[in-house]
Amino acid sequence: DQQVKQNSPSLSVQEGRISILNCDYTNSMFDYFLWYKKYPAEGPTFLISISSIKDKNEDGRFTVFLNKSAKHLSLHIVPSQPGDSAVYFCAASGLTQGGSEKLVFGKGTKLTVNP
Amino acid sequence: NAGVTQTPKFRILKIGQSMTLQCTQDMNHNYMYWYRQDPGMGLKLIYYSVGAGITDKGEVPNGYNVSRSTTEDFPLRLELAAPSQTSVYFCASRPGTVTNTEAFFGQGTRLTVV
Repeated sequence: DQQVKQNSPSLSVQEGRISILNCDYTNSMFDYFLWYKKYPAEGPTFLISISSIKDKNEDGRFTVFLNKSAKHLSLHIVPSQPGDSAVYFCAASGLTQGGSEKLVFGKGTKLTVNP
Repeated sequence: NAGVTQTPKFRILKIGQSMTLQCTQDMNHNYMYWYRQDPGMGLKLIYYSVGAGITDKGEVPNGYNVSRSTTEDFPLRLELAAPSQTSVYFCASRPGTVTNTEAFFGQGTRLTVV
C-alpha cells in the first residue's frame, strides 16, 4: 500500500524551462510534506517543505504547491538548470496512532535538464 | 558538525552471513530512521526510533533488527543475509521535538549479498 506516490519515474526538460514534479498521497494523517534531491552515490538532501496549513511555499527557484482536498502536491523549478538533474523524492510526515512520527517517501522522479 | 555518519560505505556479504550497519548522529536528534533503496525504487522504511530505548517497525522490517541504546547511535543488524537484502541503506535523523522539520541523511551503505 503506497501512501506516497510519484507516478512519473522520469522527466526531461530544456534548460531555462519550468520543471513540474508531481506527488500524490493517500493518508489524511500527513500534515507536513517535503521534497528531497538525490545525486548518485549520495544521500538525499532536503530541498523544500510545506505545512498542511499552507498551499504554497517558495524558496528561490523552487516552489511547492499543496492541494489538500486533492491530496496532491507539486514542485516547480523555474528556471531549470543542468545542475538540477537528479532524482527528486516527495516525502510526507505525520503522527501515527501511537503518537510517533513516520516519514514516508515516494519512489522518486528522475529529472534531466538538457543544456 | 559531522551530521549523520554511516559505516561502512560498501560491503559484500555471503548468503547467511551477518553484519551490523552503523549509524551515528551528533545533532542530538530524537528520531532516527533506516531506509533501503532498491534500484528504480523509492526509500522504504525498515525501522525507526523516537528516542533511546524505543524502536518500531516500518514497512519492510523482516530480516533486520535494530537497537537504540543511546541518542547518538542506531545500528541496523542483518542476522542471515539474503540476496533480497542487496540494496543501498540510508540512515536519517530528525529532531522530533518539533513536528515540522526535515530529516538529515547519511551518505548510504551499499550492500551486496552474493
